[in-house]
Amino acid sequence: GESVGLHLPTLSVQEGDNSIINCAYSNSASDYFIWYKQESGKGPQFIIDIRSNMDKRQGQRVTVLLNKTVKHLSLQIAATQPGDSAVYFCAENWTGGGNKLTFGTGTQLKVEL
Amino acid sequence: NAGVTQTPKFRILKIGQSMTLQCTQDMNHNYMYWYRQDPGMGLKLIYYSVGAGITDKGEVPNGYNVSRSTTEDFPLRLELAAPSQTSVYFCATRAGTTYEQYFGPGTRLTVT
Repeated sequence: GESVGLHLPTLSVQEGDNSIINCAYSNSASDYFIWYKQESGKGPQFIIDIRSNMDKRQGQRVTVLLNKTVKHLSLQIAATQPGDSAVYFCAENWTGGGNKLTFGTGTQLKVEL
Repeated sequence: NAGVTQTPKFRILKIGQSMTLQCTQDMNHNYMYWYRQDPGMGLKLIYYSVGAGITDKGEVPNGYNVSRSTTEDFPLRLELAAPSQTSVYFCATRAGTTYEQYFGPGTRLTVT
């Protein structure tokens, strides 16, 4: 079946560096994507989203890039801070598949001081 | 606004026991979802609801039941707890105008 997956299970970066978290998706019909951040012991928290008719969207210190040709999504975090340490999930939505999101397995981001 | 609240925060069940995980939202969202998250894994959809009186199965519904008698509440029922149901359970809501889901803090369930 269709699935969403992540390339790297763990990413370690130095404080102040930029982080890039990647996600591969397999459903070419997916039309909406979200990145969530999950801190230890908490529920996922929305970071940023992007629709399939866009290839880039920027927020505060975060940028999401969408490459539909290779079905790849990435989350870039600028000037990574200790508070960015968390698990990051990508999720996809396919309007034709019902009112559901499909989540990837997550990437653990560790920020080293 | 409390957002999405879940009770209890933690629970230990013996095999064969039953329990109800509560989820309440005050955002007037029509859509509600139940997920389970196993250690080191992503979220798997158990059941969802598009409005009061309407529920549907997700990816892993076996062993669970839900009801949606009001917009605010979406309880998840485990009838015969099994060790495979040891997990963290998250409830989420969504307004009809966006795809973004808002999550509760989760319930950590252990079945021994």
